[in-house]
Amino acid sequence: RKEVEQDPGPFNVPEGATVAFNCTYSNSASQSFFWYRQDCRKEPKLLMSVYSSGNEDGRFTAQLNRASQYISLLIRDSKLSDSATYLCVVKGPGSARQLTFGSGTQLTVLP
Amino acid sequence: DTEVTQTPKHLVMGMTNKKSLKCEQHMGHRAMYWYKQKAKKPPELMFVYSYEKLSINESVPSRFSPECPNSSLLNLHLHALQPEDSALYLCASSQSLAGSPSTDTQYFGPGTRLTVL
Repeated sequence: RKEVEQDPGPFNVPEGATVAFNCTYSNSASQSFFWYRQDCRKEPKLLMSVYSSGNEDGRFTAQLNRASQYISLLIRDSKLSDSATYLCVVKGPGSARQLTFGSGTQLTVLP
Repeated sequence: DTEVTQTPKHLVMGMTNKKSLKCEQHMGHRAMYWYKQKAKKPPELMFVYSYEKLSINESVPSRFSPECPNSSLLNLHLHALQPEDSALYLCASSQSLAGSPSTDTQYFGPGTRLTVL
């Protein structure tokens, strides 16, 4: 089983749609959770950290379910500029553990 | 300011060349990273520096040699590379390796796109 698993997509949605991405992780002791977005041929950019209580930033909502080892990202009112690859990223316990990236979910928002 | 800069943006080199990639951050971060990313794949960790000391080497071939001259700079020296080493090389930094969301958050530079002929 991969440490971090994501549905690779692609997700093709019309502008204004709501889309949800899911991610599961295998290490129950994982400490920190993030969503990054990566545009084609660009670097990954932090979208948001994911906290146990869930958190929202504008049209983006992230949730963490530690019991099920599951992270989600909800994008409301999709914009063309949301088209990108979304990477689920998890950090294991302890300072020696590093970020583990999911394989990414590709989103295309269509006009 | 969450800027990490990398030079050069693009690099083409032959298998016998020696070149270096450079990375700089002025956020006061004490952990810096090198990643390699191939097309349509997630970044793969190569090296981690913590407080200017090499903390993690993910079994990277010796033709890649990292160096951390000071807390703001990270270099990757390249020698005798192979065509399969062609990839996007990303530098990142974080506050430290302390293990909380705020310290763990990594900020990436724009990368160097390397082509080995």
